Amino acid sequence: SAVISQKPSRDICQRGTSLTIQCQVDSQVTMMFWYRQQPGQSLTLIATANQGSEATYESGFVIDKFPISRPNLTFSTLTVSNMSPEDSSIYLCSARVGTTNTGELFFGEGSRLTVL
Amino acid sequence: EDQVTQSPEALRLQEGESSSLNCSYTVSGLRGLFWYRQDPGKGPEFLFTLYSAGEEKEKERLKATLTKKESFLHITAPKPEDSATYLCAVQAFGGSQGNLIFGKGTKLSVKP
Repeated sequence: SAVISQKPSRDICQRGTSLTIQCQVDSQVTMMFWYRQQPGQSLTLIATANQGSEATYESGFVIDKFPISRPNLTFSTLTVSNMSPEDSSIYLCSARVGTTNTGELFFGEGSRLTVL
Repeated sequence: EDQVTQSPEALRLQEGESSSLNCSYTVSGLRGLFWYRQDPGKGPEFLFTLYSAGEEKEKERLKATLTKKESFLHITAPKPEDSATYLCAVQAFGGSQGNLIFGKGTKLSVKP
């Protein structure tokens, strides 16, 4: 298993500003992902965070809006840029531990963003 | 398109009243099916992984089963502390670098 720490746990932001969420994993990690969970909805993958290179984004998500960094195996950041009220959501960091790309993901507690 | 559908959306049980949650899936090739529990304001907590039809996993009052088209999460004699949203997810062969596709979840409420 893995313990995944995210911060901030919650924040209230003004329209047009940007916020960076940090994610730290305590175990050897193969893959890291960022998900979004909008109110009443399930989890939607934003992107796969790649170590030392550009993240791989899912359809509907772009780097200019959600820049992601992963400078080493166990740390990643997600920035939500130029925020609007539609960005109010829970953002979840997740990781797969071990040596393959198959298997369960472990999740952080999430970062709840409210944009006014 | 790979898809996961969970039913019912919400389920209210009395303490001790056993029931099942359903997860139907459509994938090009199933690499694994996962059950998670999510409490309000928290991230999903991993429960089970199932890889092939006929496989079963148990943990306390929970038992997960898998067929070629669906999975069930059976809850035996539930307690109020089992109240949570239960999420089902699949990983497909050839999927986006190994990510999971989630259903919308079943919100379970267990009354004393």
